[in-house]
Amino acid sequence: AQSVTQPDIHITVSEGASLELRCNYSYGATPYLFWYVQSPGQGLQLLLKYFSGDTLVQGIKGFEAEFKRSQSSFNLRKPSVHWSDAAEYFCAVGPYNQGGKLIFGQGTELSVKP
Amino acid sequence: GAGVSQSPSNKVTEKGKDVELRCDPISGHTALYWYRQRLGQGLEFLIYFQGNSAPDKSGLPSDRFSAERTGESVSTLTIQRTQQEDSAVYLCASSLGAGGTDTQYFGPGTRLTVL
Repeated sequence: AQSVTQPDIHITVSEGASLELRCNYSYGATPYLFWYVQSPGQGLQLLLKYFSGDTLVQGIKGFEAEFKRSQSSFNLRKPSVHWSDAAEYFCAVGPYNQGGKLIFGQGTELSVKP
Repeated sequence: GAGVSQSPSNKVTEKGKDVELRCDPISGHTALYWYRQRLGQGLEFLIYFQGNSAPDKSGLPSDRFSAERTGESVSTLTIQRTQQEDSAVYLCASSLGAGGTDTQYFGPGTRLTVL
C-alpha cells in the first residue's frame, strides 16, 4: 500500500541552526513528492515538489529537498532556520495513475528556540 | 479570487445534526479536492472532482458523507447525522488539472466541532 512516514512528530532547533526533516515513502513506482508547510490558522502552502530529473530540488523560503530512490526518502533541509519557520511540515506523495489526490504523512511540528 | 476560500471557518454542531461546508476554488481550476485533518494527524483524502468526470469518492469514510460540485465552481461537502469522530478540519484544494504534476492550492479550512 502507498504510504508516507514522517518519523519525527516534533523537532526543536535553535534559530540559525540547520534543519533536516525526514520523509520516507512506500510506493511501487517513482512517485511525485511534495513538501507543504502549515502555519497556525493558515492553509497549506507548497514549499517544493519533485517530479523527475535533478534529485535535489529547491523551494521557497530557502528550503531544499533531496530525492533518494535507494532509500525511498525525500528529506527536507534548510541550512539556517529562522523563527518564522516554526510551523507544521507535511510530506506528501502524488501517485501518477490515481489523479492528483495526495497521500500525506502525519506531519512534523517544528519549534524554533531563540 | 486570489485563492481558495472556504466557509464557514468554524462550525460547532450537535451530534446527529447535518452540516454543509463550502469551497470556492481558484477561478479556472478544473480539479477540486476535499481532505480531512484530524487533530495531530496528516490529511486524509476524501473526494475529488475533475471537470465533468465522475468524482473519485474512494476516500469518503461512510455514506453519511457526500459532496457536490457545480461545473467547475463551488463545491459543498455535506455530513449527515454528524458524529463526534467527524470533528476535524476539512480542507479544500484546487488545481488547474488533475494530473500528478498539477500543484494543489489549499484553502484555510473549516474547523468542525461535533458536541
